Amino acid sequence: GAGVSQSPRYKVAKRGQDVALRCDPISGHVSLFWYQQALGQGPEFLTYFQNEAQLDKSGLPSDRFFAERPEGSVSTLKIQRTQQEDSAVYLCASSLARQGQPQHFGDGTRLSIL
Amino acid sequence: DAKTTQPPSMDCAEGRAANLPCNHSTISGNEYVYWYRQIHSQGPQYIIHGLKNNETNEMASLIITEDRKSSTLILPHATLRDTAVYYCIVKGSSNTGKLIFGQGTTLQVKP
Repeated sequence: GAGVSQSPRYKVAKRGQDVALRCDPISGHVSLFWYQQALGQGPEFLTYFQNEAQLDKSGLPSDRFFAERPEGSVSTLKIQRTQQEDSAVYLCASSLARQGQPQHFGDGTRLSIL
Repeated sequence: DAKTTQPPSMDCAEGRAANLPCNHSTISGNEYVYWYRQIHSQGPQYIIHGLKNNETNEMASLIITEDRKSSTLILPHATLRDTAVYYCIVKGSSNTGKLIFGQGTTLQVKP
């Protein structure tokens, strides 16, 4: 079946611009996660949704980062007034609600801030 | 969630078994061991997970020691396409929990 889909695959923006990154989770997956992966590092958690509720946003690095999932399926990660340090791969993952179920990842959006 | 320790890199000959170790000495009773791998320019790919018993699927086998303080991921017949960074992650059973990735093991499969 279809996996987690992220778009765009690549995004280049000038410093100061706003960007929006989209995630389409696997159908029926209640849980949705965003991660940020810097070059040469492992992914780091940003935020978590259960259906439309954002239950954990402890990993968001600043108030310029905002995520939403208004209907409990598609999610958007928005970064306002981008800075060079925001350059990274942004990964989305989804999972079923049952105990122990693994998270399944998309291939990410590679964001480059010039 | 418990911390894991993995060797930074390993080599394996094509066609041979790749055995990737992971130490998780502080694991608690309700925490699972998950294995993911990441091939260049792709997202992490789920491989396998287990709680206490050994597990096997079409990709790999997971051997967990009786005291649960360490585990080994086994790729029975490594191919060049198995070259990747392999992450061992310990996490509680709740579906709300974030994954905490370490540095992983870079596995290089050589012809």
